[in-house]
Amino acid sequence: KAGVTQTPRYLIKTRGQQVTLSCSPISGHRSVSWYQQTPGQGLQFLFEYFSETQRNKGNFPGRFSGRQFSNSRSEMNVSTLELGDSALYLCASREPAGELFFGEGSRLTVL
Amino acid sequence: GIQVEQSPPDLILQEGANSTLRCNFSDSVNNLQWFHQNPWGQLINLFYIPSGTKQNGRLSATTVATERYSLLYISSSQTTDSGVYFCAVEGGSQGNLIFGKGTKLSVKP
Repeated sequence: KAGVTQTPRYLIKTRGQQVTLSCSPISGHRSVSWYQQTPGQGLQFLFEYFSETQRNKGNFPGRFSGRQFSNSRSEMNVSTLELGDSALYLCASREPAGELFFGEGSRLTVL
Repeated sequence: GIQVEQSPPDLILQEGANSTLRCNFSDSVNNLQWFHQNPWGQLINLFYIPSGTKQNGRLSATTVATERYSLLYISSSQTTDSGVYFCAVEGGSQGNLIFGKGTKLSVKP
């Protein structure tokens, strides 16, 4: 079965713009979580959604938001982009037994 | 929150050598996973191993939950094993993985 699908894979934005990233989980998985990876901070948790509800949130400013749809697909949005938001954004879906599976990521560059 | 430490940070091997990567964590965990990050950034699942021992080909892993550590063994390493290996844990009421800083492995031909 298909893995976790993230779009777009690469994107370039300028400071002040906003961006929306999309994630389709593995079929049957209802939990979707997002992580940010930067060279300086490593892999950090952003938020997790389960059945369209945010279940857990990391320590990121309110410019970072997300949502989940009834088909379990999720989007995350970053508003008023800053240079420091340049990162690889990874989405993961969780199987009921607990193991997480990650997508290929969306690589965001902010100029 | 839970702290995760991986060692060594960097490891250089000759092809064919064996290696052991270590992951220490500071509290009891419900979930522990090992990943290999490929050059394009994707995290590839190696093991889901909150406790016990598992093997998959040349790779095996052991987690001793009571002593709060996990080990990843790579035998007969190949150049394709190069990359960054991450340990990640999930504990308590948290619903998210906490990642270590990774071990960067370079396998030379």
